[in-house]
Amino acid sequence: QQQVKQSPQSLIVQKGGIPIINCAYENTAFDYFPWYQQFPGKGPALLIAIRPDVSEKKEGRFTISFNKSAKQFSLHIMDSQPGDSATYFCAASQITNFGNEKLTFGTGTRLTIIP
Amino acid sequence: SQTIHQWPATLVQPVGSPLSLECTVEGTSNPNLYWYRQAAGRGLQLLFYSVGIGQISSEVPQNLSASRPQDRQFILSSKKLLLSDSGFYLCAYERQGAPHEQFFGPGTRLTVL
Repeated sequence: QQQVKQSPQSLIVQKGGIPIINCAYENTAFDYFPWYQQFPGKGPALLIAIRPDVSEKKEGRFTISFNKSAKQFSLHIMDSQPGDSATYFCAASQITNFGNEKLTFGTGTRLTIIP
Repeated sequence: SQTIHQWPATLVQPVGSPLSLECTVEGTSNPNLYWYRQAAGRGLQLLFYSVGIGQISSEVPQNLSASRPQDRQFILSSKKLLLSDSGFYLCAYERQGAPHEQFFGPGTRLTVL
C-alpha cells in the first residue's frame, strides 16, 4: 500500500523554468515532510523539509508548499538549471515507538532541465 | 564530521547464494540506522531500522535479515538470494538528538542472476 503518492514520474523543463512536483499522503500521523535529491549512482541527499504547521518554506531556489487540509505538498524549483537534473523524492516521516523517525517515500520524479 | 560507508559498491550473485552487505558510520555515537531498498519506479522502501546494538525492527517480511553487532555497524544479510532481491541497497543514519534528518550512504548495487 503506497502511503505517499508522487507525480509526475518524469518531467522535462527548459532552463529557467519552474518545475513543480506534487505529493499526496493519507496517514495523518506523518509529522514532517522532507524532499530528497538523488543523482545517478548516488544515495539521496536531503534538500528541504517542512513541518505541517507551516504552509510554505523557501531555501534558495527551492520552495515547498504545504496544504494540510488537502494532505498535499509540492516542490517548486525557481530558475531551474541543468545541474538540477536529478531524481527527486518526497517523503513523509512519523515517529516510532522507539522515538526515532521512519520515512515513507514517494516513487520519485526524474527531472531533466534542458539548456 | 560524520561519514557513512557501504560495501561492496556493486555485487553480482547467483540465485540461492548468501548475502552480506555492510554499513559503517563514523563521527557520531549511537546513531539510528536504516536499510532501504530502491527498485526502479518504486522509490525507496524501508527494510529495517535499529536504535541500538542488538535491536532490529523489520518493516517488510522478506528474504532478508539485519543485524547490528556494534554501535556504528549495520549488516544486511540473506541465507539464499532470490531474483527479486536485486536492487540498490541504501544504508542511512540519523544522529541521536537530531531527528528528521537521515544521511544516506553511497549504496550497493546488487544483481541476482
